[in-house]
Amino acid sequence: DIQMTQSPSSLSASVGDRVTITCQASQDISNFLNWYQQKPGKAPKLLIYDASHLETGVPSRFSGSGSGTDFSFSISSLQPEDIATYYCQQDTTFGGGTKVEIK
Amino acid sequence: EVQLVESGGGLVQPGGSLRLSCAVSGFSVSANYMSWVRQAPGKGLEWVSVIYTGGTTFYADSVKGRFTISRDNSKNTVFLQMDSLRVADTAVYYCVRERTVRGDIRFDPWGQGTLVTVSS
Repeated sequence: DIQMTQSPSSLSASVGDRVTITCQASQDISNFLNWYQQKPGKAPKLLIYDASHLETGVPSRFSGSGSGTDFSFSISSLQPEDIATYYCQQDTTFGGGTKVEIK
Repeated sequence: EVQLVESGGGLVQPGGSLRLSCAVSGFSVSANYMSWVRQAPGKGLEWVSVIYTGGTTFYADSVKGRFTISRDNSKNTVFLQMDSLRVADTAVYYCVRERTVRGDIRFDPWGQGTLVTVSS
């Protein structure tokens, strides 16, 4: 089974900061990597598919990149409504999640 | 409007059973892969099971032999029968459509989840 290692597990940043999360696969997964946002008490929501494609309606401050084994997810300018836990996912495996908080 | 509504969660003793339901509107469960994903309190996401359009089913090793996924096409509803429940099965269970696009598996949309608590 492919393992997905996500880091950091949590981060605290100021409004307006750029935030970056990484996800590493244990073997080459091409660009088959998706990112989800889960706000407190809510279900996850698909934000980015195929490593870098934004779902319809997702603000452009969110972005993703990478291929092979190394991927990243960024928020260019952190907003208060972005407080959530973010997960990467490949096939039926999810990363451990990154909790994003406001400093 | 696309909507997935789970029900059937609750408190059950170890060794007991529960049947979760997921009523879907806006698309046909028979024409889509449907999965269950769970989240233990304060923990991450764990895929549990999937039922394919042709009826083939798969399970995570942690639930294999204890859980059974099924669907009722006439009611556009997916079920998860959970038997021999363990404390470790305590989680919010989400119903979600699984889409495979050019080899990439994506989970979208998700239901609101139903909480299963296994405790004596």
